[in-house]
Amino acid sequence: EVQLVESGGGLVQPGGSLRLSCAASGFIFSSHEMNWVRQAPGKGLEWVSSISGGGLSTYYVDSVKGRFTISRDNSKKTLYLQMNSLTAEDTALYYCARGDKVADWGQGTLVTVSS
Amino acid sequence: DIQMTQSPSSLSASVGDRVTITCRASQGIRNDLGWYQQKPGKAPKRLIYGASSLQNGVPSRFSGSGSGTEFTLTISSLQPEDFATYYCLQQNSYPRTFGQGTKVEIK
Repeated sequence: EVQLVESGGGLVQPGGSLRLSCAASGFIFSSHEMNWVRQAPGKGLEWVSSISGGGLSTYYVDSVKGRFTISRDNSKKTLYLQMNSLTAEDTALYYCARGDKVADWGQGTLVTVSS
Repeated sequence: DIQMTQSPSSLSASVGDRVTITCRASQGIRNDLGWYQQKPGKAPKRLIYGASSLQNGVPSRFSGSGSGTEFTLTISSLQPEDFATYYCLQQNSYPRTFGQGTKVEIK
């Protein structure tokens, strides 16, 4: 059974940083592209970033380019999202999701950017 | 970037009704589209992949169709557990883009 467990969310001040993690199990982690998708309170889904199975290719939505960095450690079966220069607009529930077809989702970790 | 226009944004329907939700892509995306269901406080769940393939375990009352720029999610006979918000997601190119969502409510 595929399991994705996000962690690392919390309350951070504007301009601050946070690193999210997603621990994966139940599939061959290194064979799958991985994604971060977020959902602001009461809003729709927004794709944030993707990374190829080997980690060599990364993609970002324009609003986070230069501030967020996606990475992975295949030996630890863990996906990361380093978030810098956070603003209130980054407040959201952040999901990790498996595959280029975004098949499976974790339960999310909440990031709140507020002073 | 590919824009996904989803309609309607909300609808009211009764149990047993046939429901249709549409997504239109701003350029052709072949069949690289998924449909997702999200219930309050829960993570999204994939219903359809490749525009028309039913995810394992998803009831057969759900179906998807379309290719290119026009896509449809159909619920043939709405059940109480189907009241939720539905999203399409294009997986043809980056950045990936979701439709705005359709909230299906009880009439």
